Amino acid sequence: GENVEQHPSTLSVQEGDSAVIKCTYSDSASNYFPWYKQELGKRPQLIIDIRSNVGEKKDQRIAVTLNKTAKHFSLHITETQPEDSAVYFCAATGRGYKLSFGAGTTVTVRA
Amino acid sequence: GAVVSQHPSWVICKSGTSVKIECRSLDFQATTMFWYRQFPKQSLMLMATSNEGSKATYEQGVEKDKFLINHASLTLSTLTVTSAHPEDSSFYICSAFPLLLAREVTDTQYFGPGTRLTVL
Repeated sequence: GENVEQHPSTLSVQEGDSAVIKCTYSDSASNYFPWYKQELGKRPQLIIDIRSNVGEKKDQRIAVTLNKTAKHFSLHITETQPEDSAVYFCAATGRGYKLSFGAGTTVTVRA
Repeated sequence: GAVVSQHPSWVICKSGTSVKIECRSLDFQATTMFWYRQFPKQSLMLMATSNEGSKATYEQGVEKDKFLINHASLTLSTLTVTSAHPEDSSFYICSAFPLLLAREVTDTQYFGPGTRLTVL
């Protein structure tokens, strides 16, 4: 099955700085890579996603890049704000739309 | 649109009892629903895939006789934790994958708000 690794496990940034989270996946058949933000006790919230036929996607302060050859994808958050503090999960979907999640990154934005 | 609800939002039960959790897609039909379990400070782990009108498919290591899944309609899937034990205490989250019409393409699943289960 798919194995998704995510780094770092924790990330502390100064407000206004950028945050980068990196993930790797193992199954070359995976073709959809969503990123989720989860606050304590809440459901995962989709913040951005990318399909395998695209290398980069941006939505305001959030961007995702994908390198299919290397099986890497990354989340970039620019101009971080305190409300960006949360746990972020990367995921990959392969066969049957089954999502495999990374271990998560706890992001803390210092005011 | 694309709202998924879960009931109950939290439940406390005694060890040895069974608990049923419902997952409903409120404004769309879902042929496939997924059940996840999330322990504190950990990631979401897929437990099983629930397909309407057929038996659920369980991930390796998940006991199908302990976690009973029923997907009786295109808007409802239920997870029953049988003979619950304290180690089953966790956050259970479902997601629903929409029924696609011809030529529709999507990869997006919609998550329910989760159910916090505490077994005493």
